[in-house]
Amino acid sequence: AQSVTQPDIHITVSEGASLELRCNYSYGATPYLFWYVQSPGQGLQLLLKYFSGDTLVQGIKGFEAEFKRSQSSFNLRKPSVHWSDAAEYFCAVVNTGNQFYFGTGTSLTVIP
Amino acid sequence: DAGVIQSPRHEVTEMGQEVTLRCKPISGHDYLFWYRQTMMRGLELLIYFNNNVPIDDSGMPEDRFSAKMPNASFSTLKIQPSEPRDSAVYFCASSSFLRGYGYTFGSGTRLTVV
Repeated sequence: AQSVTQPDIHITVSEGASLELRCNYSYGATPYLFWYVQSPGQGLQLLLKYFSGDTLVQGIKGFEAEFKRSQSSFNLRKPSVHWSDAAEYFCAVVNTGNQFYFGTGTSLTVIP
Repeated sequence: DAGVIQSPRHEVTEMGQEVTLRCKPISGHDYLFWYRQTMMRGLELLIYFNNNVPIDDSGMPEDRFSAKMPNASFSTLKIQPSEPRDSAVYFCASSSFLRGYGYTFGSGTRLTVV
């Protein structure tokens, strides 16, 4: 069965510091993986996605993610966090029926 | 492209009343999804449609919930009668299978049942 685990419920980083949000997936076939960001009071916005090819994918707002099949992971990274990055981040895997399975989310706080 | 449009943005209603949430997907998208988000349960898929046909409604919590998609540009989620535990943010999302997956979400409807 498909599933996504985001082990960190909440993370706090200082502005300008690097960021890594963890995501582990369970999926029998080649996974299609996504990261979404949700700002307070807003819907979810797609940051980046991975289907195949280069395992390091670039997204919007300076984010990137690396697919590691051996670790069943798709961690999200950003080299220097801005205060505006404070939000909830969701990892998701989609099955062949185009149905998404979301993780429980990681809440990011950015301190000055 | 105006994106996925949901209305209303906020809804406050009394217990027992009927509530109807509306969604206009992105033109050309053939999948439409309804999600509910709460602090306790996170994002829950309620139902999804493909080409206006309901494919999986196993996430609909009870018979009080119903969803329709009469045409490719409109869907409704109805709760009748509403209860306080239905208070949540309800998101609609659409997707095109042929465009490499990826949902586009609406801004959500915040429902409060008092």
